[in-house]
Amino acid sequence: DSGVTQTPKHLITATGQRVTLRCSPRSGDLSVYWYQQSLDQGLQFLIQYYNGEERAKGNILERFSAQQFPDLHSELNLSSLELGDSALYFCASSVVSGGALGNEQFFGPGTRLTVL
Amino acid sequence: DQQVKQNSPSLSVQEGRISILNCDYTNSMFDYFLWYKKYPAEGPTFLISISSIKDKNEDGRFTVFLNKSAKHLSLHIVPSQPGDSAVYFCAASFQGAQKLVFGQGTRLTINP
Repeated sequence: DSGVTQTPKHLITATGQRVTLRCSPRSGDLSVYWYQQSLDQGLQFLIQYYNGEERAKGNILERFSAQQFPDLHSELNLSSLELGDSALYFCASSVVSGGALGNEQFFGPGTRLTVL
Repeated sequence: DQQVKQNSPSLSVQEGRISILNCDYTNSMFDYFLWYKKYPAEGPTFLISISSIKDKNEDGRFTVFLNKSAKHLSLHIVPSQPGDSAVYFCAASFQGAQKLVFGQGTRLTINP
């Protein structure tokens, strides 16, 4: 158990809908990262927050947005869903911001999103 | 542009032997590398990391080797155990960067 929690575990919805994925980081971690893993693909970085502020953006669609709240949990909002948005969405957390020894990212179990 | 590549989608090894997983990268800015293991229906689990100032890092049965001139890293698992059967991802980053760049993963199967 990494200490990172994600809800829900599974989500099935229809095209055009909007969903919210939730992530609670490990106790003491200030950074939260969101990744997307499509079928047979590696993990693609979407966005990162540090202590409530957006720090970095990756290949995140305009239909997607995220935020980190004062209690440090984070939500990823996906709207106008398309079939191609079906994927595993992982949240990770680390103590501080940035890649470095001792600041490894620890991943949650993921949310499997299916868009029908 | 795939900056981190794992060219072997799968690898099968006999229990007790050595497993060697390989990873190549193209971005010379990367100076920090990690290996993650992933079981089905779980998130990736951090295994071991290495900084570019070193060429080897060991942690129990796991050793990561880094060859900067070849832009190549490998993960050695000795001896391999059935519980090591999983998908292994290598990832890279650089100091100050926020994101990890992942390879496509290699599915390791340990046969009894």
